[in-house]
Amino acid sequence: AQSVTQPDIHITVSEGASLELRCNYSYGATPYLFWYVQSPGQGLQLLLKYFSGDTLVQGIKGFEAEFKRSQSSFNLRKPSVHWSDAAEYFCAVFMNRDDKIIFGKGTRLHILP
Amino acid sequence: NAGVTQTPKFRILKIGQSMTLQCTQDMNHNYMYWYRQDPGMGLKLIYYSVGAGITDKGEVPNGYNVSRSTTEDFPLRLELAAPSQTSVYFCASSYSGDEAFFGQGTRLTVV
Repeated sequence: AQSVTQPDIHITVSEGASLELRCNYSYGATPYLFWYVQSPGQGLQLLLKYFSGDTLVQGIKGFEAEFKRSQSSFNLRKPSVHWSDAAEYFCAVFMNRDDKIIFGKGTRLHILP
Repeated sequence: NAGVTQTPKFRILKIGQSMTLQCTQDMNHNYMYWYRQDPGMGLKLIYYSVGAGITDKGEVPNGYNVSRSTTEDFPLRLELAAPSQTSVYFCASSYSGDEAFFGQGTRLTVV
C-alpha cells in the first residue's frame, strides 16, 4: 500500500544544534517528494521539493533534504536550528500514477533555549 | 494575490446537519485537494480533482461529497454531520504534481 512514514512524532533539540527529520515512503515508482512546515493555527508552507536530478535539494530557511532511492527516504536536515523553527513538519509525496498527494503524520519540533 | 481561499474559517454544526465548505483558487491550477487534519494523524486526503468535471476519492471519503464544475472552485459537502467529522479541513491546489498551495483551513466542530 502507498504510505508515507515519519517515525518521530516529537523531536526536541537545543537552539544551535543540528536537526534531522526522517521520512520514508512506500510506492512502486519514484514519487515527487516534498517537505512542508506548519506553524500553530496556520496552513502549510513548502520548504523544499524533489522531482529529479541532484538528490540533495536546498530549501528555504536553511533547510535541505536528501533523496535516497535505495532507502526510499527523504530526510530533512538543518545544520543549526533557531527558536523560530519550532513547528510541525510534514513529509509528502505526489503519487504520479494516481495524481494524489499523501502526507505523513508529521513531526513536531521543539526547541530548547 | 489571493491564492487559495476557504470559507468559513470556523463553524459549529449540530449532529445531522449539513453544510458546504467552500474553496476557490485564482492560480488556474488544475489539481485541487481536500484534506482533514486531526491531532497526531497528519493530513488525510478526502477527495481530489485533476480538472473540472473530474473528481476521485482519497483515503477517507466516507461522509463527504465534492463537485468540480469550474477550474476555480472545489466545494466539499457534509451531508449528515457526525462528531467524527470534527476536524480542521484544508483545501489545496497545484499545477499537476508540483507544489500544493494551501488555504488557511476551516475549523469544524460537530456537537
